[in-house]
Amino acid sequence: DTAVSQTPKYLVTQMGNDKSIKCEQNLGHDTMYWYKQDSKKFLKIMFSYNNKELIINETVPNRFSPKSPDKAHLNLHINSLELGDSAVYFCASSRGGWDEQFFGPGTRLTVL
Amino acid sequence: AQSVTQLDSQVPVFEEAPVELRCNYSSSVSVYLFWYVQYPNQGLQLLLKYLSGSTLVKGINGFEAEFNKSQTSFHLRKPSVHISDTAEYFCAVGRGGADGLTFGKGTHLIIQP
Repeated sequence: DTAVSQTPKYLVTQMGNDKSIKCEQNLGHDTMYWYKQDSKKFLKIMFSYNNKELIINETVPNRFSPKSPDKAHLNLHINSLELGDSAVYFCASSRGGWDEQFFGPGTRLTVL
Repeated sequence: AQSVTQLDSQVPVFEEAPVELRCNYSSSVSVYLFWYVQYPNQGLQLLLKYLSGSTLVKGINGFEAEFNKSQTSFHLRKPSVHISDTAEYFCAVGRGGADGLTFGKGTHLIIQP
């Protein structure tokens, strides 16, 4: 069973479109995250949620809106996509506290 | 705020040779430390973590790391690498709770036959 899953794995779209990436974890964790990995492989936290409540919102454009319908899911919706949004987006989850984070396989977003 | 510096962007090493990947961090508060590995086109997998206690931490696949508080370092080592160790290695720090991790820029380990 996959612990943290993301769909889709690849997403190719045109500038200006709106798209969503879904994330699900079956680990029973309370905390979920979204990270962005750029073309130079640099990873940066975007959002974290604890028990469906937004905890961290790093300096991310408000075109990005996370939504957590329940503790096991954290989706990322992106409006008006721009070329600079092209990246790999990783979802992660943890029990919080001092526990490690478990990462999904990533979604490679390409904006043309 | 915290930051992580991985001093080498790329480390080539011959198969069966030892390797050390360097990581230094800075933080105004206590942090906990991780090494993650990313194989091509995959997500991140935890190699090992330091929370407290013994400064020498053993992880999966024969890797270990040593926490040095005075030098604010957490270098990763393996006594003998295999071709399958070719990957990107990330050092990260966290403050706990629901905080995200702060990652270094990664070190690409290249194993030469």
